[in-house]
Amino acid sequence: QKEVEQDPGPLSVPEGAIVSLNCTYSNSAFQYFMWYRQYSRKGPELLMYTYSSGNKEDGRFTAQVDKSSKYISLFIRDSQPSDSATYLCAMGPDNTDKLIFGTGTRLQVFP
Amino acid sequence: DVKVTQSSRYLVKRTGEKVFLECVQDMDHENMFWYRQDPGLGLRLIYFSYDVKMKEKGDIPEGYSVSREKKERFSLILESASTNQTSMYLCASSSSGNQETQYFGPGTRLLVL
Repeated sequence: QKEVEQDPGPLSVPEGAIVSLNCTYSNSAFQYFMWYRQYSRKGPELLMYTYSSGNKEDGRFTAQVDKSSKYISLFIRDSQPSDSATYLCAMGPDNTDKLIFGTGTRLQVFP
Repeated sequence: DVKVTQSSRYLVKRTGEKVFLECVQDMDHENMFWYRQDPGLGLRLIYFSYDVKMKEKGDIPEGYSVSREKKERFSLILESASTNQTSMYLCASSSSGNQETQYFGPGTRLLVL
């Protein structure tokens, strides 16, 4: 079993939809949770960063962490065609600078 | 803005060739990472360096080596390229400390024939 599981998609939604992207994990030591966005043929860029449990909001993006269920989510409100990209979850414990990445979910938002 | 640059966007090499991939960051970061990214497998850590001349194996170090002679530069070396090393290679850097943000370069697409 992989440490981090993420549905690869693709997920195809109309413009304006609310998008929900999810990851599950198995290591209860993970404390840091991140979402990266990767456009085609580019490197990933950090989108959201959360420590431990709870919610974090930034504009149209909300990150949620449920440590009891070992489940994290990224919500995108009012999705735009420019949100079309691959979204990677990443996480790690306190005692290392190394991250474990999910395989990424490809999102397509059509006009 | 943090900038991580990689020496090539695309490379085509022959089986058995020695391949050098270079990464440079301009933010004085202590940590540097090399990943490969393959469809369905995500990002897998090859090697990690937390200081000049220091290195640590990641999850898939076989067939690779690294060099970090200067703080800003981290090189990935494929000693004898093989077709199963065809992949997207991504370099990243971060400050030291608990899980600082990793900043990625644009990637190098390597094709080994």
